[in-house]
Amino acid sequence: GQNIDQPTEMTATEGAIVQINCTYQTSGFNGLFWYQQHAGEAPTFLSYNVLDGLEEKGRFSSFLSRSKGYSYLLLKELQMKDSASYLCAVKDSNYQLIWGAGTKLIIKP
Amino acid sequence: DAMVIQNPRYQVTQFGKPVTLSCSQTLNHNVMYWYQQKSSQAPKLLFHYYDKDFNNEADTPDNFQSRRPNTSFCFLDIRSPGLGDAAMYLCATSRDATGGSEQFFGPGTRLTVL
Repeated sequence: GQNIDQPTEMTATEGAIVQINCTYQTSGFNGLFWYQQHAGEAPTFLSYNVLDGLEEKGRFSSFLSRSKGYSYLLLKELQMKDSASYLCAVKDSNYQLIWGAGTKLIIKP
Repeated sequence: DAMVIQNPRYQVTQFGKPVTLSCSQTLNHNVMYWYQQKSSQAPKLLFHYYDKDFNNEADTPDNFQSRRPNTSFCFLDIRSPGLGDAAMYLCATSRDATGGSEQFFGPGTRLTVL
């Protein structure tokens, strides 16, 4: 079966750095997405990785290792508004998006 | 601004009473998706359309139907809602189905079944 694993919940302090990990086992691989979802709202796109390495976009960076089936989302200079769920999703060989259940990130002052 | 719009944002229905959720997009995207998401769970794909080609997920109950009368609009019909169908329903679009084509989501419709 296809599987995406992420921690259920993480807590971090305002101004700090946090890394949210994602491991996947899918039938084929056509890219990995990270989405942010605030409570009661729709997911919004953060990043896309298809090649190994680090993609940086402002305070957010995303890393991919295809050989390890592993990605992480790195959030720097945390702000209170970063409190949200972060969902990892992988496109499989059929270009279907397989979703993780999300990591709820709690930011404390 | 180009966007994905869902109506209504909140829908209350009675057990067994049919309900229709609507989605429209101004992005002119080829692909439209309907997801069901329950609290603290991953979005679950119900169906998607690539243009007019309808694709039903194998585990989507027959109680759920969909229509896409044109590029801009897509509807989700729940014929006989049960208590287990209470959830957030998300509509999304993408330019196409290729690897890097991200999905854009509407704000969702939260369905309550009494």
